[in-house]
Amino acid sequence: QQQVKQSPQSLIVQKGGISIINCAYENTAFDYFPWYQQFPGKGPALLIAIRPDVSEKKEGRFTISFNKSAKQFSLHIMDSQPGDSATYFCAGLTGYALNFGKGTSLLVTP
Amino acid sequence: GAGVSQSPSNKVTEKGKDVELRCDPISGHTALYWYRQSLGQGLEFLIYFQGNSAPDKSGLPSDRFSAERTGGSVSTLTIQRTQQEDSAVYLCASSLSLQGEKLFFGSGTQLSVL
Repeated sequence: QQQVKQSPQSLIVQKGGISIINCAYENTAFDYFPWYQQFPGKGPALLIAIRPDVSEKKEGRFTISFNKSAKQFSLHIMDSQPGDSATYFCAGLTGYALNFGKGTSLLVTP
Repeated sequence: GAGVSQSPSNKVTEKGKDVELRCDPISGHTALYWYRQSLGQGLEFLIYFQGNSAPDKSGLPSDRFSAERTGGSVSTLTIQRTQQEDSAVYLCASSLSLQGEKLFFGSGTQLSVL
């Protein structure tokens, strides 16, 4: 079953705006929460990740906010650029296997 | 090599035929994964290798699917008697860590079963 639920399925943001993608998880054994970015015709690539003992992690324009009690986490892309247009996947890790959400297709318009 | 290499990049086959998909992981990466990506379905875990052994085959959808890894390097995913529902992108990933914390994915094999 889907252990990580991701929303929205698709998102359109204007250049310079903030893109927000949300994920909710069921499995409390998850101990690592990465976000992967995938461009058409390419495999996903690790973008940023967080552990559940931290509430926020920022790398450049990308920030993960993590709410352990609500079992939710989100990706914020500040000052979104057309080059950020891609599919984004959240995931939860327990043991060695990543459980991915279904992905969000982000389009940043000029 | 510089990254994970998968071949072929595209494969068109007829229903009922067998196919083999190949993955060359990053040199030195002990862990190797196969995932399947169907439209709108995210990434579905298929199998995990630790070295040459596969401690977890739980994600393989049916007994028509099998995979092996030789020499702790190259892996082959075989699908026998392909069905139309097998059409998807098959992604391979490797990792230095056995805990799956940073996966490096190949570009995948787009499989189309007619």
